[in-house]
Amino acid sequence: AQSVSQHNHHVILSEAASLELGCNYSYGGTVNLFWYVQYPGQHLQLLLKYFSGDPLVKGIKGFEAEFIKSKFSFNLRKPSVQWSDTAEYFCAGPGGSQGNLIFGKGTKLSVKP
Amino acid sequence: SQTIHQWPATLVQPVGSPLSLECTVEGTSNPNLYWYRQAAGRGLQLLFYSVGIGQISSEVPQNLSASRPQDRQFILSSKKLLLSDSGFYLCAWSQHPGDSKGYTFGSGTRLTVV
Repeated sequence: AQSVSQHNHHVILSEAASLELGCNYSYGGTVNLFWYVQYPGQHLQLLLKYFSGDPLVKGIKGFEAEFIKSKFSFNLRKPSVQWSDTAEYFCAGPGGSQGNLIFGKGTKLSVKP
Repeated sequence: SQTIHQWPATLVQPVGSPLSLECTVEGTSNPNLYWYRQAAGRGLQLLFYSVGIGQISSEVPQNLSASRPQDRQFILSSKKLLLSDSGFYLCAWSQHPGDSKGYTFGSGTRLTVV
């Protein structure tokens, strides 16, 4: 069955540290991959997406992700995190019986000021 | 522009009571609609999706059901709640399952079954 897995449950960083959150998927067809973010008390928002073309995609707030087909990975990166990046991050890709979006278990990011 | 509304925002219900959560979408027609449940440490689990009025597909067996009485209305229900039904329920919409724009989520309902 298709799956999306995130490696880290909780990541704690100091401001200005670099961030990389892992995401692996298992899906053999056309791959649309997404990263969503949920800030405390807010709803899920789309951070960035990969549909086709350049495997390095840039999203809002300085985030980027790289689609590496050979590794089935779509890791999220940010060179220098800020306190305001404290949130839960979800990787998502196609799965389910109709290619609906399925999510990883999420990674909580805590940034210390 | 399209908007998605969910209510109520929070709900505390006793075990064995019924449940009805409502979700509506504005600004689009014939959307695909989804119900997800978010549980701590378990991410988002797809519960139901609907491609049209009266068309409901369930992804996981459970104590809940869904209905789509109108094109832009999606309802999550239960006849008798269990403690294990507690969680954060999210409604979402897209134009189609593999929409490259991703899914747009509502603000969610926090359900606590006591």
